[in-house]
Amino acid sequence: DTGVSQDPRHKITKRGQNVTFRCDPISEHNRLYWYRQTLGQGPEFLTYFQNEAQLEKSRLLSDRFSAERPKGSFSTLEIQRTEQGDSAMYLCASSPTFQGGAAGYTFGSGTRLTVV
Amino acid sequence: ILNVEQSPQSLHVQEGDSTNFTCSFPSSNFYALHWYRWETAKSPEALFVMTLNGDEKKKGRISATLNTKEGYSYLYIKGSQPEDSATYLCAPREGAQKLVFGQGTRLTINP
Repeated sequence: DTGVSQDPRHKITKRGQNVTFRCDPISEHNRLYWYRQTLGQGPEFLTYFQNEAQLEKSRLLSDRFSAERPKGSFSTLEIQRTEQGDSAMYLCASSPTFQGGAAGYTFGSGTRLTVV
Repeated sequence: ILNVEQSPQSLHVQEGDSTNFTCSFPSSNFYALHWYRWETAKSPEALFVMTLNGDEKKKGRISATLNTKEGYSYLYIKGSQPEDSATYLCAPREGAQKLVFGQGTRLTINP
């Protein structure tokens, strides 16, 4: 297992189109997180899963965003009817269950989305 | 939502010099603080996870301290090298699960 992988690395799409990103976490990690990072800002929380259950979704996330993690393995993040404001780096991370706060996240390299 | 402040936002340091930067966060309901290093075109890399007031962690030339009572953490880099050029992110944990990131400190080492 070589870490968290994300696909694609880059995506350019026209406004109004739907896009889907994939994240493959480290296989032993039962927690999976999606973050979004825009220029000059730190990563912003979007949602997270414990196994296949989506346990929290940011209130900043509109209904155009949906995430799934079927069977508790890989996850997909879909954005419907993309807008220019969706242009960002989308990061996926995974972690084992926190035990005493000792576990950190392992991040993927991200998917850079550009909406034109 | 936690308000996490990192300063400075960017920093240029001469190779060989030592440097440090700050992460400030609300001191109430503290669970843990994470530090990450993010190099351009790479994944953010975990540096430290700190949980106890007074914690000090070290990894090579990089070290960090934590003060949970006053809500700050310092990251120190001794004898900066070009490979230290990166954005350094701190992230306190909100509740039991998610990290809330600061905007980062962008460090550039000048040879």
